[in-house]
Amino acid sequence: AQTVTQSQPEMSVQEAETVTLSCTYDTSESDYYLFWYKQPPSRQMILVIRQEAYKQQNATENRFSVNFQKAAKSFSLKISDSQLGDAAMYFCACTQGGKLIFGQGTELSVKP
Amino acid sequence: DAGITQSPRYKITETGRQVTLMCHQTWSHSYMFWYRQDLGHGLRLIYYSAAADITDKGEVPDGYVVSRSKTENFPLTLESATRSQTSVYFCASRGDFFGGTQYFGPGTRLLVL
Repeated sequence: AQTVTQSQPEMSVQEAETVTLSCTYDTSESDYYLFWYKQPPSRQMILVIRQEAYKQQNATENRFSVNFQKAAKSFSLKISDSQLGDAAMYFCACTQGGKLIFGQGTELSVKP
Repeated sequence: DAGITQSPRYKITETGRQVTLMCHQTWSHSYMFWYRQDLGHGLRLIYYSAAADITDKGEVPDGYVVSRSKTENFPLTLESATRSQTSVYFCASRGDFFGGTQYFGPGTRLLVL
């Protein structure tokens, strides 16, 4: 079965610092997409970043970037210049048969 | 307003009662999904639908029923609620492309007593 693993249940970062959230996945599909979603205390699921597996170039969205290592099946999220509003649960997800498989999430706290 | 909405946002019910959670989207997205979120499990897929009148099971379908008579609506019914179905339920939708972004509703918090 396809799996997505986030090995860090909790992470903490100082405001203005950089933090990296880890994600590994296991898939047998040749064409797939990877996502990071943010879930703040409001519980709304918000897309942070999306990566096409066939593209070697790492996706970036402002302060958010990924380190996509296809051979290692690794998809980490780097948050630069962390802000208090970045505090949230972050979920990694991978497509599988047109559906999304989610990791268990990493709770990020940001210290002022 | 355009987007994806869920109702009710909060629901308390008793064991054995039937409960229906509603989901409505205004994008005319083909695909719609129901997830449940529990501590330690992330989001798990309950059911999904590729179009009106086409539905399929996800990872945890037992105890749930879905229907999709119209593209924009995708209700989820708990036919006889159990305490283990206490959870937060999310509806999501996306377009035809399998790699497209799924957009989520605000969630429904369900408590089964």
